[in-house]
Amino acid sequence: GENVEQHPSTLSVQEGDSAVIKCTYSDSASNYFPWYKQELGKRPQLIIDIRSNVGEKKDQRIAVTLNKTAKHFSLHITETQPEDSAVYFCAASNAQAGTALIFGKGTTLSVSS
Amino acid sequence: DVKVTQSSRYLVKRTGEKVFLECVQDMDHENMFWYRQDPGLGLRLIYFSYDVKMKEKGDIPEGYSVSREKKERFSLILESASTNQTSMYLCASSLGTGGQYFGPGTRLTVT
Repeated sequence: GENVEQHPSTLSVQEGDSAVIKCTYSDSASNYFPWYKQELGKRPQLIIDIRSNVGEKKDQRIAVTLNKTAKHFSLHITETQPEDSAVYFCAASNAQAGTALIFGKGTTLSVSS
Repeated sequence: DVKVTQSSRYLVKRTGEKVFLECVQDMDHENMFWYRQDPGLGLRLIYFSYDVKMKEKGDIPEGYSVSREKKERFSLILESASTNQTSMYLCASSLGTGGQYFGPGTRLTVT
């Protein structure tokens, strides 16, 4: 089955810096890669996703890149703000096959002002 | 907005009790999921369902069962609760191949 590795487990940046979180997946059939943000005491929220027919997707200060050959994908946050502090999870699935998302273990991002 | 609700935010049960956690979504999503979340282990899939009365095991189904009698409701059952099942339980739903929407979670403590 699918296995998703996520790095780093913790990341501390200064406000205004960029942050990058990387994930690798094992199943070459996976074709859907969402990212979730979970603030302290709250539920995970979908922030951006990418499908395997696209190499990059942007939404304001966040972007996700996908390298299918290497089987890795990354989340990029530019101009970080204190409210970006949260746990971020990557996930992968073979959406067409109706399989469930498999999540990475999460990255705790701390943005200090 | 998609609304996913869970029956309890906090629950305390004794070892050996049968525990029911309920999840309801109001957006006619065909897929529903149960995860448990533990520090350092991320979100681990227990069971999921892609249709009424259908269920699939996830990565850690041992000690759990599920029920989906209606499309909007997905129940997680701990047949005989044990202390190692103390955790945060998150329900989620999705439409087709889209992203999942999570409920607020139930923090279960088994003493």
